[in-house]
Amino acid sequence: AQSVTQLDSQVPVFEEAPVELRCNYSSSVSVYLFWYVQYPNQGLQLLLKYLSGSTLVKGINGFEAEFNKSQTSFHLRKPSVHISDTAEYFCAVSVAGTASKLTFGTGTRLQVTL
Amino acid sequence: GAVVSQHPSWVICKSGTSVKIECRSLDFQATTMFWYRQFPKQSLMLMATSNEGSKATYEQGVEKDKFLINHASLTLSTLTVTSAHPEDSSFYICSAIPISGHTDTQYFGPGTRLTVL
Repeated sequence: AQSVTQLDSQVPVFEEAPVELRCNYSSSVSVYLFWYVQYPNQGLQLLLKYLSGSTLVKGINGFEAEFNKSQTSFHLRKPSVHISDTAEYFCAVSVAGTASKLTFGTGTRLQVTL
Repeated sequence: GAVVSQHPSWVICKSGTSVKIECRSLDFQATTMFWYRQFPKQSLMLMATSNEGSKATYEQGVEKDKFLINHASLTLSTLTVTSAHPEDSSFYICSAIPISGHTDTQYFGPGTRLTVL
C-alpha cells in the first residue's frame, strides 16, 4: 500500500515570496506522483505529475516539483507566489504503470497575503 | 482537453429521499471513473471505482447498497445516494481516466455538494 504525508497543514506566505510545499510518500513499488490544486468549492485541477525521466517537473501556473527517490519526496515549489495561488494543494501517488486509484495526502492550505 | 463535468453542482434534499449525481467526461472516453467524498477541510476519500460495463468496486467501509454506482457508457457514471440522511451531507467528486492519451492521470470533476436536511 502507498501513503502520502503532507506535514504542513497550512503555509502562510507573502505575495511575491517563494514557497515550498512538502510531500513525502511511502511505497514498496514504483509510483507516479501528482500535485493537484483545489480552489474553494471546486474540484481538483492537475498542477503537474512525475511519471519517469527527469526528476524536475514543471507544471502550470509557474509551479515545479522535484522527485527525490532517496528521500521519497516530491516537494512543490514556486519562486514567486500570487494572491490567486491561495488554495488547497494535494499531493497524491498511484502505482506506476497502471491506471490505478490515487492515494492523497491530507492537503496543505497555501494562504498568500499582501 | 480532459474536461469532466458533474451535475448537479449542488443539491438539497430531505432525509429519506434518493439523490442521483452524474459524472461525465466531455471530450474523452473513460472506462474507469472514481467517486470520492470530501468532508470540510479534509482530504478526498475514495469511495468506489466505477468500470464501464461491470460492477463498481467499493472501498472498505462504503455501503454498496447505499451508494449505488452505474457506469452505463464510456462517458457517464452515476452515483445514487439512496435513503439519504444528514450524515451523508458532503462534497462528492468524481474523476475519470482517459482510455487513450494520458492514461496515467485522473481528471476531476468540479464536485457536487449534497446537503441532506
